Amino acid sequence: NAGVTQTPKFRVLKTGQSMTLLCAQDMNHEYMYWYRQDPGMGLRLIHYSVGEGTTAKGEVPDGYNVSRLKKQNFLLGLESAAPSQTSVYFCASLPAVTYNEQFFGPGTRLTVL
Amino acid sequence: SQQGEEDPQALSIQEGENATMNCSYKTSINNLQWYRQNSGRGLVHLILIRSNEREKHSGRLRVTLDTSKKSSSLLITASRAADTASYFCATDDTGANSKLTFGKGITLSVRP
Repeated sequence: NAGVTQTPKFRVLKTGQSMTLLCAQDMNHEYMYWYRQDPGMGLRLIHYSVGEGTTAKGEVPDGYNVSRLKKQNFLLGLESAAPSQTSVYFCASLPAVTYNEQFFGPGTRLTVL
Repeated sequence: SQQGEEDPQALSIQEGENATMNCSYKTSINNLQWYRQNSGRGLVHLILIRSNEREKHSGRLRVTLDTSKKSSSLLITASRAADTASYFCATDDTGANSKLTFGKGITLSVRP
């Protein structure tokens, strides 16, 4: 099993450009999460999904959209990137609500100029 | 908003020494988890302690939980250079639908 994978690993955008980050998991997990990690801030939850076709807002959802059309994929979109979205983005998955350990991807480092 | 607050922010010890890291939180929780992050990598789950547990062990790791003080500690015994990483506590808050709230992390450096 590859576990949780993220594409791309690195990306540089100009202000106003759009992009989509892809998270894929091959463990048949129900729950998926998108976090951002900024220096000195720890991880903050952007959006999450409790199953295929569902999404919900986390702590810092503004400026991001998500979709979970297939159970194994969770996409994070930036419609109009801003410098404040420069961060490292992590995806995580969870088998079910009764199983508590989240499995993390390797991260995507995004720079918005 | 951050739920867990780790203490200290940074810790430097000699190989073979024990490392103790603390975490405080504010609301009621289902469980508290500790994760490790090596530089440039994703987070890896270390250990979970449920709200009705007081102490748990896993290899060289020992975690305690005091729900009356809303605090937890992680002890790494006989540290190794490979333990050098950032450590995060995360709380699974009651009613939070399995969303974790992370602290800001502790940077541990183990000198060979």
